[in-house]
Amino acid sequence: DTGVSQNPRHKITKRGQNVTFRCDPISEHNRLYWYRQTLGQGPEFLTYFQNEAQLEKSRLLSDRFSAERPKGSFSTLEIQRTEQGDSAMYLCASSLATSYGYTFGSGTRLTVV
Amino acid sequence: AQSVAQPEDQVNVAEGNPLTVKCTYSVSGNPYLFWYVQYPNRGLQFLLKYITGDNLVKGSYGFEAEFNKSQTSFHLKKPSALVSDSALYFCAVRAGNNDMRFGAGTRLTVKP
Repeated sequence: DTGVSQNPRHKITKRGQNVTFRCDPISEHNRLYWYRQTLGQGPEFLTYFQNEAQLEKSRLLSDRFSAERPKGSFSTLEIQRTEQGDSAMYLCASSLATSYGYTFGSGTRLTVV
Repeated sequence: AQSVAQPEDQVNVAEGNPLTVKCTYSVSGNPYLFWYVQYPNRGLQFLLKYITGDNLVKGSYGFEAEFNKSQTSFHLKKPSALVSDSALYFCAVRAGNNDMRFGAGTRLTVKP
């Protein structure tokens, strides 16, 4: 396990459909973070987990968004009833609770048409 | 609340010249500061961090950054730019156990 893995790399979906992304963190990392990055902007924090517990959610995370980390390993981010404004790069990162920096995955680029 | 400002959307330098990418921050308490680089259609790649200690930190690919507490700045520098340094650069800050907050990014273009 050499890094954070995100699948799929790209997703094109029709407006109104549901989508789910997966993130596999570095195996010994107990913290996992989701960020969203729109074109020309920096990553915006969405939510994070310590082990299986979701400890913080941004106000950006509307009711249509849900994230899980059921066994404290991989995580999924689901968007229901997608809208064109959801088009973005969704980044996952992981870290140890005791470390300061994060390791990021390559991201999932979502395009809603 | 913690925040980061990157005042320049774009920085252009000639290959071989020194480069500086600016960052200022606002945070309650002691800041942990980071620089990441992003290449097209890729995730963020860690360059360097300041946690404590020496104000000048050295990172990957010859980059360095200087923490200036009085000016609340953490500018990224490199003595001699390469064309391959052209990318999007993000400054980020954490305070304590809070999540990392990013600036809007600066696009660096190094021309041959």
